[in-house]
Amino acid sequence: EADIYQTPRYLVIGTGKKITLECSQTMGHDKMYWYQQDPGMELHLIHYSYGVNSTEKGDLSSESTVSRIRTEHFPLTLESARPSHTSQYLCASSSTGRRLTFGSGTRLTVV
Amino acid sequence: GIQVEQSPPDLILQEGANSTLRCNFSDSVNNLQWFHQNPWGQLINLFYIPSGTKQNGRLSATTVATERYSLLYISSSQTTDSGVYFCAVHDRNYGGSQGNLIFGKGTKLSVKP
Repeated sequence: EADIYQTPRYLVIGTGKKITLECSQTMGHDKMYWYQQDPGMELHLIHYSYGVNSTEKGDLSSESTVSRIRTEHFPLTLESARPSHTSQYLCASSSTGRRLTFGSGTRLTVV
Repeated sequence: GIQVEQSPPDLILQEGANSTLRCNFSDSVNNLQWFHQNPWGQLINLFYIPSGTKQNGRLSATTVATERYSLLYISSSQTTDSGVYFCAVHDRNYGGSQGNLIFGKGTKLSVKP
């Protein structure tokens, strides 16, 4: 079954650690996105990609980076986690004219 | 860029009641979607509806693109309908060459047993 997967589901990590949040989709979508959201609040686009080797920053300033080496894989990396990074991170994918599909999200807590 | 406004911001219903959620947008769009975020944070795409009417079980949605609004109808509400409902529209001027979805701030729905 085609879907979009995020790991880990929950992560508690110490300040200064480097982390990578994984996102993979099996739907063959060319577009992938990362959103940051406090639960139930506004969604903020932090990164997007329209295809392999194409990545852009979104409207919310973020200290994270992304890569898109394969169509199905769009990992997000924080080089040095801080308490201000505590939030939910949602990965999504779509194709032109198709609906946007979200993963289950990663709830990150930086202590 | 396009402005997206949702109303009401909060809604409390008794189980079994019907409700209408509204999404207004400030410019013409060719892509409008409705999402439900459950209390555990999972976002589910309910409808892709740039125009016209669609129905899925107890939910239906209507978009009147010429008047720049969309409505989400929930009939015979259940406690599992609780959560936040977001609408999102495509803004070709938002981010990259192909544009991206702009999300409204959501309507928080609580259905009481």
